[in-house]
Amino acid sequence: DAGITQSPRHKVTETGTPVTLRCHQTENHRYMYWYRQDPGHGLRLIHYSYGVKDTDKGEVSDGYSVSRSKTEDFLLTLESATSSQTSVYFCAISGGLARANTGELFFGEGSRLTVL
Amino acid sequence: QQQVKQSPQSLIVQKGGISIINCAYENTAFDYFPWYQQFPGKGPALLIAIRPDVSEKKEGRFTISFNKSAKQFSLHIMDSQPGDSATYFCAASFFTGGGNKLTFGTGTQLKVEL
Repeated sequence: DAGITQSPRHKVTETGTPVTLRCHQTENHRYMYWYRQDPGHGLRLIHYSYGVKDTDKGEVSDGYSVSRSKTEDFLLTLESATSSQTSVYFCAISGGLARANTGELFFGEGSRLTVL
Repeated sequence: QQQVKQSPQSLIVQKGGISIINCAYENTAFDYFPWYQQFPGKGPALLIAIRPDVSEKKEGRFTISFNKSAKQFSLHIMDSQPGDSATYFCAASFFTGGGNKLTFGTGTQLKVEL
């Protein structure tokens, strides 16, 4: 295992409430990513981080924000959850300095979010 | 905009048969093409990957074939086994200062029947 922990693993919430998902890594990797997985869409990048306090948007960033105050933690926040944000969210990290320039990502086990 | 197109959406193969999944990409800046395998309730895991300067890569029963001029690549699973039943994603990336931002295909659900 790549030492990635996502929490919570399951969450049900109501429209309009804020939600924060946490990704914790023990690998000291520089790069961290948040993807969402939906049927028919595969995995789509929401936000990513290339260092502490260094983040940028992915292809589906609207309605999401992120923060990274420590190397090991990457938080994804839905400021006001909507039903369209019902999804499975995956955190991923890049595999070490020697492989920082490859597509090899290690994924967590996902957080299933349901917005009613 | 779907930069990586994957087919088929689902596939049923008999045990011992060959499973073939195809992907096509648009962005010629992509320089790394991994395949990920995902079991239910788990995160995707890297299966095999190839760079565009190589036309084929084989690891055990898994082979990637790459056609740079056609901008297509495919995964072949030889001697398919029930344990190979999973969802497979092709992907493409190029490295930037922001890391490895993978673009994924939409996935293929493979079922290997006895």
